[in-house]
Amino acid sequence: SAVISQKPSRDICQRGTSLTIQCQVDSQVTMMFWYRQQPGQSLTLIATANQGSEATYESGFVIDKFPISRPNLTFSTLTVSNMSPEDSSIYLCSVAGTGNTIYFGEGSWLTVV
Amino acid sequence: DAKTTQPPSMDCAEGRAANLPCNHSTISGNEYVYWYRQIHSQGPQYIIHGLKNNETNEMASLIITEDRKSSTLILPHATLRDTAVYYCIVRVGTGYSTLTFGKGTMLLVSP
Repeated sequence: SAVISQKPSRDICQRGTSLTIQCQVDSQVTMMFWYRQQPGQSLTLIATANQGSEATYESGFVIDKFPISRPNLTFSTLTVSNMSPEDSSIYLCSVAGTGNTIYFGEGSWLTVV
Repeated sequence: DAKTTQPPSMDCAEGRAANLPCNHSTISGNEYVYWYRQIHSQGPQYIIHGLKNNETNEMASLIITEDRKSSTLILPHATLRDTAVYYCIVRVGTGYSTLTFGKGTMLLVSP
């Protein structure tokens, strides 16, 4: 398995501001994914971030709103830009680890007020 | 990825076996069955996966029917800490494939 650390674990943000979430993995991985989980809902994939290439976004998610960086094989960031209350969610980093099994971090809980 | 169907909720008494069903009638030959669970306020936790043979690990057993159209996750001795949402997901086990989450089954383990 992979140990995945996310920062911040929780935050309360003002609308109109941006927040960057960091994801650190304890081993080198090629594939990293960012998910969103809105209150009471299941997880939705935002984008796939592979090192050395541009992130691939799912339908309904755009780079201007959710810019992603992937500077190396153990780290990625997701920025939630110009936040509104609708962005209040858990944001989850995940990676494809041993045997191509996907593992998740503990998530970053964002509340936008 | 193929779609799965799970009951929205199930109850189980502590110490008893919890059997969580999943239907995946449109599964393809190269798709695996994965199970994850999400305890409240935590990230999803990988449980087990399989292709066509039954699998067992320290957490659970996975029984896949011979036609692969359905499967059952078995928690042999459920505890209160097993209360969680359980997700059954089918996914190509190789290459750059992702996980598509449905609504899962809310398992409530009671004393």
